[in-house]
Amino acid sequence: DQQVKQNSPSLSVQEGRISILNCDYTNSMFDYFLWYKKYPAEGPTFLISISSIKDKNEDGRFTVFLNKSAKHLSLHIVPSQPGDSAVYFCAAGRRGQNFVFGPGTRLSVLP
Amino acid sequence: ETGVTQTPRHLVMGMTNKKSLKCEQHLGHNAMYWYKQSAKKPLELMFVYSLEERVENNSVPSRFSPECPNSSHLFLHLHTLQPEDSALYLCASSQDRGRPLYFGPGTRLTVT
Repeated sequence: DQQVKQNSPSLSVQEGRISILNCDYTNSMFDYFLWYKKYPAEGPTFLISISSIKDKNEDGRFTVFLNKSAKHLSLHIVPSQPGDSAVYFCAAGRRGQNFVFGPGTRLSVLP
Repeated sequence: ETGVTQTPRHLVMGMTNKKSLKCEQHLGHNAMYWYKQSAKKPLELMFVYSLEERVENNSVPSRFSPECPNSSHLFLHLHTLQPEDSALYLCASSQDRGRPLYFGPGTRLTVT
């Protein structure tokens, strides 16, 4: 049973618009969440994190929102750029323990 | 070199070969990890080392054997692999367990 789900395998967005990537988790004990971006032939790159004591964290064009009651988080990218085209993974875990990764969503930003 | 490096980047091996994957982190982190990424599957955690001590082995077959000689280096020794072991093998490090992971570029392994 997957503890971290990304139900959209792929997403296409027009350049300049907002990209919204979603992630759901089942374990209510998770209290720390990460987003990664992965280009082909490269390892995942850490983007942004959020702790369960917050409901929003922002870093430049990237904002992560956390809804603890719904066990849902989302990554917003505004404005989307062609260089954002990649696979995005969310990960959930607890401090001091290992993270569980979702299967990823492939984002395509169209010029 | 900065970040996390892995060698080789690509490896093709027969089922009877023995080979090793190498990982080095230049971040001063205390924890190192091996992950496997197969097509259309989530990242699978294989091994975790914290302060050079193996703290987790996720039911990985014995044909995969990790080694962590010091806090900067991690190896994955491979022997008598199966074709289904073909995958991208990713090394990562983190300041401590439960902190963000920093990944290397991976080794694309093909078992023939």
